[in-house]
Amino acid sequence: DSGVTQTPKHLITATGQRVTLRCSPRSGDLSVYWYQQSLDQGLQFLIQYYNGEERAKGNILERFSAQQFPDLHSELNLSSLELGDSALYFCASSVSLGGSDEQFFGPGTRLTVL
Amino acid sequence: GNSVTQMEGPVTLSEEAFLTINCTYTATGYPSLFWYVQYPGEGLQLLLKATKADDKGSNKGFEATYRKETTSFHLEKGSVQVSDSAVYFCALSDRSGGSYIPTFGRGTSLIVHP
Repeated sequence: DSGVTQTPKHLITATGQRVTLRCSPRSGDLSVYWYQQSLDQGLQFLIQYYNGEERAKGNILERFSAQQFPDLHSELNLSSLELGDSALYFCASSVSLGGSDEQFFGPGTRLTVL
Repeated sequence: GNSVTQMEGPVTLSEEAFLTINCTYTATGYPSLFWYVQYPGEGLQLLLKATKADDKGSNKGFEATYRKETTSFHLEKGSVQVSDSAVYFCALSDRSGGSYIPTFGRGTSLIVHP
């Protein structure tokens, strides 16, 4: 158990809909990262938050957004969903900004868009 | 941009065989390098890391050496076990402005037969 929790575990929805994925980091960790894992794209870094502020952006679509709340939990919002958004979404946390920090990954949320 | 290239899998070995999974990278700065492992149905977990040239990371019999001259970080294990069957990800974290951007390879699946 990494100490990172993600909800829900599975999500099935239709094209055009909007969903919210939730992540609680490990106790004491200030950074939260979001990743998308798919068979064709591998593991893609989406965005990082540190202590409530956005710090780094990867290949995140404009239809996707995220935020980190004062209690450090984070939410990833996916809107106008397309079939291609079906993937496993991971949240990870680390103690500080990154660099040589180990990232602790949650179990993931499997999103299926029908 | 930065990139990580891993050998394609699956790699299939018999128990007690020698394992090498190749990883090369391109980075604009001086990154930290990581190997993560993902067991079926789980999130990724750190296997080992190295933060500067010629550093050797090691854990659970796995080793990898940070080779700056060849921009490589190959993973090795002298004698694999069935329980090592998993997907292995090479990754780097490189400084960009005031943040660190993580980049992951596509993963290499390892299957170990008794």
